[in-house]
Parts: sequence; C-alpha cells; structure tokens
Amino acid sequence: GENVEQHPSTLSVQEGDSAVIKCTYSDSASNYFPWYKQELGKGPQLIIDIRSNVGEKKDQRIAVTLNKTAKHFSLHITETQPEDSAVYFCAASSGAGTALIFGKGTTLSVSS
Amino acid sequence: DSGVTQTPKHLITATGQRVTLRCSPRSGDLSVYWYQQSLDQGLQFLIHYYNGEERAKGNILERFSAQQFPDLHSELNLSSLELGDSALYFCASSVVGDGYTFGSGTRLTVV
Repeated sequence: GENVEQHPSTLSVQEGDSAVIKCTYSDSASNYFPWYKQELGKGPQLIIDIRSNVGEKKDQRIAVTLNKTAKHFSLHITETQPEDSAVYFCAASSGAGTALIFGKGTTLSVSS
Repeated sequence: DSGVTQTPKHLITATGQRVTLRCSPRSGDLSVYWYQQSLDQGLQFLIHYYNGEERAKGNILERFSAQQFPDLHSELNLSSLELGDSALYFCASSVVGDGYTFGSGTRLTVV
C-alpha cells in the first residue's frame, strides 16, 4: 500500500523567512496530493492540493510543487507569520474514493 | 465550523469498556472516513464508508467496527478498550474522495 514520508518533523523559522516541507510517496498510482494544517485542539484543515497533471500550484503565500518522476512533493510557505505556526500534514491518494494516506506531520514554529 | 460534527468531544472510560463515537458529515457528502491520531503515529486511516457501504479498511483493529446509516451519519464502535487506544479520533467527509473536510475530533482517554 501507499506510504508517505514527511520531513522535517520540526521546523523553526523567523517571521518573514520561508519554510519548506518535503514529502515522498511510494505508490506510483497516487494522483492527488493535499496539504493540511492542524492547529491545537482542532481538526486538520485543507490548505492547498495538487493533482498529478500539474507541476506547481500557488495560493498567495503558499505553493506546492510535485515531481512525479521522483515521487516527491513539497510545501513552500513564504513570508511566514506567527499565525502559520501549526502542524502540517502532507497526504496522497490514488484518486476518487480512495483513502488519503498521511505523512507523520511537521510542527512549524514561527517566531517574531 | 467545518460542517462535520463529531460527538462527544471528550470521552474518558475504563479499560475493557465499549464506546461509540458519532460523526455527521457535511451536507451532501456521501463519503465518511475515520482516522486515529496518536502522538507517535500521526493520522492513521481506519475505515471508509460511501453511501452506507464499506469501501476500504486501513489499520483498523478487529475490536473496532463502524457503520454508516441511511441518513449518512456514521458511528465508530470501539470495544474491549486498552490503554493504547487512547487517541484523537477524527472523521472526515467528502463528495468524491478528494479534499476531505475534517471534524474537530473526539479525544478518547482510556484509564
């Protein structure tokens, strides 16, 4: 089955710096790659996603890149702010109806 | 409010007991997924239901079972509870399987 590895497990940056979180997946059939943000005491919230027919997607300060050949995808957050501090999860699935398999998460801390 | 409702928010019970966690999906979503979140294992997929039918099983123990009712709400039943079952249990719903919306979770503590 699918396996998703996520690195780093913790990441500390200064406000205004960029943050990058990387994930690799094992199943070449995977074609949907969302990223979730989980704040303390809350459920994970979808922040951006990318499908296998796209190499990059941006939404304001957040971008995701996908390299299908290498089976890895990354989350890039620019101009980080303290409110970006949270746990971020990457996930992968092979399409509609199949379960998302999550990485183990990255705790991002942004200090002002 | 995500639109996915989970009850109860907190549950404390003793080892050996049985509990039922409830999830009401977002209006219009036919798929319900259950996940277990523990500190060292991240979000582990348990089971997926689509319009009342079981579609996939993940790392779900035999002591655990679930069902989805005609009104699309789902229940996760955990029996013969052990200390190691203490975790956050999330359900998520979706229309076609992508882009899940998660509930706020049920924190289960087994003592």
